Amino acid sequence: AQSVTQPDIHITVSEGASLELRCNYSYGATPYLFWYVQSPGQGLQLLLKYFSGDTLVQGIKGFEAEFKRSQSSFNLRKPSVHWSDAAEYFCAVGPSPGGYQKVTFGTGTKLQVIP
Amino acid sequence: DTEVTQTPKHLVMGMTNKKSLKCEQHMGHRAMYWYKQKAKKPPELMFVYSYEKLSINESVPSRFSPECPNSSLLNLHLHALQPEDSALYLCASSRTVSGGPYEQYFGPGTRLTVT
Repeated sequence: AQSVTQPDIHITVSEGASLELRCNYSYGATPYLFWYVQSPGQGLQLLLKYFSGDTLVQGIKGFEAEFKRSQSSFNLRKPSVHWSDAAEYFCAVGPSPGGYQKVTFGTGTKLQVIP
Repeated sequence: DTEVTQTPKHLVMGMTNKKSLKCEQHMGHRAMYWYKQKAKKPPELMFVYSYEKLSINESVPSRFSPECPNSSLLNLHLHALQPEDSALYLCASSRTVSGGPYEQYFGPGTRLTVT
């Protein structure tokens, strides 16, 4: 069965510092990978996605992620964090082997940004 | 336009009430989803509709009754809920559930409190 691990429950970074959020997946075939961001009490916003091709993916709000098949990882990065980036970040993998657009979410990483 | 709208934003209901949550998208998507999200947890899939037909029911109790009147609209009818059903209910849509891959777009959610 597919699974996603986000090893960091909570990360604190200073504003202006770089950020890397880790995501490891388990999937039998070529995965489709996503990063979503959720502000408190809000829905999920898609930051970026990887389907195929270039393993370095650019997203919105200055985020990027790199797909590394050998490490089963899809880490999210940002060179300079802004206070507005404080939120919960979810990595997800899909689809399910049945072919439905059923994604499996990681448990999330809460990002705190300090001045 | 990648917007999914949900109404109401907040809902408080007693255990004997009947209420409905509404979700709408105008992106021409033919797959729509209901998720339940408890605090500090990832979203949990409840239902998937494909071309207005129920495709997936993740063993959700019958007190939750989904409905897809047309390709743009998704409802979730609630009846005789329990306090543990209090959560953020998220709606999402994607182009389809087969072929793809296609990302899911989420609405802002309805915060449900059952008293």
